[in-house]
Amino acid sequence: DAEITQSPRHKITETGRQVTLACHQTWNHNNMFWYRQDLGHGLRLIHYSYGVQDTNKGEVSDGYSVSRSNTEDLPLTLESAASSQTSVYFCASSESWAGELFFGEGSRLTVL
Amino acid sequence: GQQVMQIPQYQHVQEGEDFTTYCNSSTTLSNIQWYKQRPGGHPVFLIQLVKSGEVKKQKRLTFQFGEAKKNSSLHITATQTTDVGTYFCAGLDSGGSNYKLTFGKGTLLTVNP
Repeated sequence: DAEITQSPRHKITETGRQVTLACHQTWNHNNMFWYRQDLGHGLRLIHYSYGVQDTNKGEVSDGYSVSRSNTEDLPLTLESAASSQTSVYFCASSESWAGELFFGEGSRLTVL
Repeated sequence: GQQVMQIPQYQHVQEGEDFTTYCNSSTTLSNIQWYKQRPGGHPVFLIQLVKSGEVKKQKRLTFQFGEAKKNSSLHITATQTTDVGTYFCAGLDSGGSNYKLTFGKGTLLTVNP
């Protein structure tokens, strides 16, 4: 069955370190998204991509970057982790840009 | 920018009672989607509404999209313990070409058996 997987599921890091969260989907979806979820804020869009070599900033993109070198993967990089980036991160993909999102199981990141 | 407000933030009901969550957008929407997230889980798509005034049902769940396409509601009849979770609406802005699917902050539903 097609799926979307995130790794690692849990990570603890220190302030200032670079962190990369992986997202891999096997649906062959062109559209992929990264969200963060925090209490009181719901789901907020960090970055998104409509296809290979395409990346776009979402509403909370500062301190994050993504790259899309193939259809299956959209890794999220925190260049210099900050405590404010402690959160649960969800990757999602969709077949159409306006269609339903399929979410991964999430990556819980703690920045000390 | 676009804002999607969702109320209530929390709702506790006795099993068998009904439940409704409301979603209001500051802008006209192309479509609205609803998701459910179980405690400790990830959001799972429930439904998408596209047409003005649209009503869709899934067993005990009824979804409505307002005539002006700026508000929506999810109603659960006779709640069960399996309905526990956070329900999110997500509105797709109809303006411009940039992707603008904005999530509400969600309504956490707890059900007392």
